[in-house]
Amino acid sequence: EAQVTQNPRYLITVTGKKLTVTCSQNMNHEYMSWYRQDPGLGLRQIYYSMNVEVTDKGDVPEGYKVSRKEKRNFPLILESPSPNQTSLYFCASSTARSSYEQYFGPGTRLTVT
Amino acid sequence: AQSVAQPEDQVNVAEGNPLTVKCTYSVSGNPYLFWYVQYPNRGLQFLLKYITGDNLVKGSYGFEAEFNKSQTSFHLKKPSALVSDSALYFCAVRDKPSNTGKLIFGQGTTLQVKP
Repeated sequence: EAQVTQNPRYLITVTGKKLTVTCSQNMNHEYMSWYRQDPGLGLRQIYYSMNVEVTDKGDVPEGYKVSRKEKRNFPLILESPSPNQTSLYFCASSTARSSYEQYFGPGTRLTVT
Repeated sequence: AQSVAQPEDQVNVAEGNPLTVKCTYSVSGNPYLFWYVQYPNRGLQFLLKYITGDNLVKGSYGFEAEFNKSQTSFHLKKPSALVSDSALYFCAVRDKPSNTGKLIFGQGTTLQVKP
């Protein structure tokens, strides 16, 4: 089954404790993105990747890091989480072959206290 | 810069009535437009897209959308609403240049279908 998986689904952590949210897709898509969803703001792109070892900042990259060492994986790293990073995070993948239609993971709800 | 607007935070309709969720866009050149739906505690699911061709696009779960270039709109429609259609709906447009793989999303519209 074609899918995007994320782990963990729920995470409660404390300010400053480094964390990683994993993302994996099995569709051989070249593009992958991380979004955060906040009420009234829709989805905003954090980082994106156009292929292995090619990443760039989206609209709200501050406080986040990413890497793309393999085509299927695109982890999101919060080196020193802060309460304003409490949000719902989505990983997505896409390909030019399907007109950039995004395939989303199930989401990770992060709470930073 | 590309942008998408969903002018209604919430739309309320009675079951069996037609529904419309509005979306307007601002892009340079020809737009790639999308609708997604988000059910509670779930990820976003693709409904339909307009790339080119017929202005009326049919998608999943009986939804359709009409692309109107002169009004720069891409409204989502369904002839007969179901209670199970109650969810959060997002309109999106492909960003340009296209090599970012990025979609720009509206703020979302909550659809409430009452029995």
